[in-house]
Amino acid sequence: KAGVTQTPRYLIKTRGQQVTLSCSPISGHRSVSWYQQTPGQGLQFLFEYFSETQRNKGNFPGRFSGRQFSNSRSEMNVSTLELGDSALYLCASSAEGGRRDTQYFGPGTRLTVL
Amino acid sequence: GDSVTQMEGPVTLSEEAFLTINCTYTATGYPSLFWYVQYPGEGLQLLLKATKADDKGSNKGFEATYRKETTSFHLEKGSVQVSDSAVYFCALSGGGGSQGNLIFGKGTKLSVKP
Repeated sequence: KAGVTQTPRYLIKTRGQQVTLSCSPISGHRSVSWYQQTPGQGLQFLFEYFSETQRNKGNFPGRFSGRQFSNSRSEMNVSTLELGDSALYLCASSAEGGRRDTQYFGPGTRLTVL
Repeated sequence: GDSVTQMEGPVTLSEEAFLTINCTYTATGYPSLFWYVQYPGEGLQLLLKATKADDKGSNKGFEATYRKETTSFHLEKGSVQVSDSAVYFCALSGGGGSQGNLIFGKGTKLSVKP
């Protein structure tokens, strides 16, 4: 099976712009989660989508949003970018998103905000 | 809320040395525990997991045992190789405060010298 893919791999934006990142899960996986990785805060959970519905959400401002399509592909959007949004954004998929499920990660999208 | 604490790095070892990376957790309920590894420029790869007390996860010579009495999930390997150089993350899911999303420790960077 193909793994989790994320596009683009690298992105440079300026403050105030918005950005959309894309994630394609492993075939058959219905749960997609997003995480932000920064040197200061480490790995933090953004949100999880299951069957096109946001099922779980971390502690991030409303500028961070996402959606999931019927084929389980997911996008996340960040509006009004701030310098602090510079990070590696990781997408992970799992079969059902249950607590025993293994989450499989993509390579990430490296976002730089100037 | 739920949390994971792992030993600060970096850890530098000689090839064939014994490795231990300590991980303790705080969670209500019965979380599942994971070790992920991140190589430079890549996403996270699952190394091993355990879903209930006294379970032992193992993979590629790495082992960790879910100890509920000490709330620990220490990672061990008997003989490390240069190729094991990476950042290792301990994580939990399914505690009272995390549902299905992963809560990560800060990561431990391991460098193995030939």
